[in-house]
Formats: sequence, C-alpha cells, structure tokens
Amino acid sequence: DAGVIQSPRHEVTEMGQEVTLRCKPISGHDYLFWYRQTMMRGLELLIYFNNNVPIDDSGMPEDRFSAKMPNASFSTLKIQPSEPRDSAVYFCASSLTGGFSQPQHFGDGTRLSIL
Amino acid sequence: SQQGEEDPQALSIQEGENATMNCSYKTSINNLQWYRQNSGRGLVHLILIRSNEREKHSGRLRVTLDTSKKSSSLLITASRAADTASYFCATSTGSARQLTFGSGTQLTVLP
Repeated sequence: DAGVIQSPRHEVTEMGQEVTLRCKPISGHDYLFWYRQTMMRGLELLIYFNNNVPIDDSGMPEDRFSAKMPNASFSTLKIQPSEPRDSAVYFCASSLTGGFSQPQHFGDGTRLSIL
Repeated sequence: SQQGEEDPQALSIQEGENATMNCSYKTSINNLQWYRQNSGRGLVHLILIRSNEREKHSGRLRVTLDTSKKSSSLLITASRAADTASYFCATSTGSARQLTFGSGTQLTVLP
C-alpha cells in the first residue's frame, strides 16, 4: 500500500519566493498533520486537520505560513514570502480516527532550503 | 518546552548487543509512542503503549512504561547494523491534544 506521499523531496529557492509543499495522506486516514524538523528545535507540530477541517494551527509560526486541505486526499503547506529561517525538513503525517491515540504515518519529508 | 526527553543523546554499540534508550516526560500522559527515523527519511512508528500498560513487546523491541516515575524505556535486543537510526519518544496528553516528540537518541550499531 502507498504510504504518505510528499512533494517535492527537495526545494531550494531564494528568500521572498512563495513555496508550496504538497501531501497525499494514506487513503482512509482522517487526520493529517504538518510538522517541521530542525536541529535546534526538533520536531514541531505546525497544524493538524480532522476530516479536512483545520483543528489546531497554534504551531504555525507566522502569518506567512498557511495550510489547506481541499479534500481527503490532498493538503498543501504554503510559505509566502519565504525567509532563510524557514529552512528545515517539513513532514506530513496521517493517522486513523483517534488522532493522537493512534500511530502516525509519516512521509519522507520535503527538505527546504531558503537562500 | 519538550514533553519527552531521551537519554542518552547518542549510543554506539556492537552488532549483537542490546540497546536501551530512555525517555522521561513531565506531565500525565494518555499514551507514549516510540518512532524510528533513518537518515533522510520520515519517522516510522514502532510501538504505542497506553498509560494503563506497563510493558509491550514487538519482535526484538521491548517497551516499558513507569507512570510513577514518568519514564519509559525502549530495549532493542540482538541489535543489527540496520537498527542504526534516531529513536524518538512521543507523548500524547489529553489537555495538549497533540503528540509531542523528544529530541531523540542517535543509535549507531557497528558491524
């Protein structure tokens, strides 16, 4: 079975540019999570959705970050405008009903470098 | 601040030896999960242990949970070079409504 699919795997862009990260969760999973991983701060939850509805976006660092889930099989995380401090690995994860009481399945991440 | 903190930060052992990693947390939990992350890859779920459980096994993995000490341990028996990875504990608390990850233990298994 296909796992969580993220694209692109790597993104290098200049500061000020818009960046869009994409995620396809596992079919049948109704929770979707966006995380950011850095050496300094570890793995941080940015936002999560339940049945395509954003539930908690308190981890989104600034208004420059936005996330959408237009349907059960697709989500985007957008940064506009991007800054060098946004450089990190961004992970998408999905899980079955039960959210944080269920195992989360992670994609392989998008490694983002803002120059 | 992070809920879970792993100890040690790094561990290097010979193939065939056992590896033990510890996780301490600060507040009451609903469950505690262990994940593995290979270099350049996403996290992979290993085991979930609920707050009313004390021990769980999965293959060569054994997880214990001591809620009185707010700590958990992950034991990997008969380690293999392929076990080389970072291992993270993650806690779920009812009030926080999120999974909070520790900083991880980097395990290196030498052939």
